[in-house]
Amino acid sequence: QSALTQPPSASGSPGQSVTISCTGTSSDVGGYNYVSWYQQHPGKAPKLMIYEVNKRPSGVPDRFSGSKSANTASLTVSGLQAEDEADYYCSSYAGSNMWVFGGGTKLTVL
Amino acid sequence: QLQLQESGPGLVKPSETLSLTCTVSGGSIRRSDCYWDWIRQPPGEGLEWIGTIYYSGSTYYNPSLKSRVTISVDTSKNQFSLRLSSVTAADTAVYYCARRSGTYEDSWGQGTLVTVSS
Repeated sequence: QSALTQPPSASGSPGQSVTISCTGTSSDVGGYNYVSWYQQHPGKAPKLMIYEVNKRPSGVPDRFSGSKSANTASLTVSGLQAEDEADYYCSSYAGSNMWVFGGGTKLTVL
Repeated sequence: QLQLQESGPGLVKPSETLSLTCTVSGGSIRRSDCYWDWIRQPPGEGLEWIGTIYYSGSTYYNPSLKSRVTISVDTSKNQFSLRLSSVTAADTAVYYCARRSGTYEDSWGQGTLVTVSS
């Protein structure tokens, strides 16, 4: 069970769109539509932003969207705002009641 | 509103056992549609799933930690607990407890830093 692969960093200017990738295998990301995305500000607990690939919990702005193609899931943040600057982690079901996280991506709003 | 709170020693000596408890308030740990997770985050690093327990006591562990981890539940106290044996400096991390509603963690504790050092 290896960690999912995310780019260490991503950035964009206010108002722009940024996409963060999360690459796994056919045993996790590619095998199930159970990919979640979490936002974490410094010193805080993670917050659920997207679940089951593309579903948004209530209260999460529709600027956040998710998708998946084969073994890679993606989180897109549109209309970047200063408060979106944070670390983002993907997570996927890996079968047999096991779960795996990505290494995290630091999103910087320029 | 559901709240989770981790508690336990902030300092553990190498080779000893790390023990943490998560107290759930504002909701029952016996919900049939929920599981309860332990997740950790070493300083400056990413998240790592440690394991999951169902209120019935069924457990599921990260294979990389399975030989050292025990997660248990006490439904009478609305708590679940983590024990990690034979700790080393590599186990230094912020430990989070969280509720898993189906396929995602929707409620998290604030996290507690556990340092392994003599």
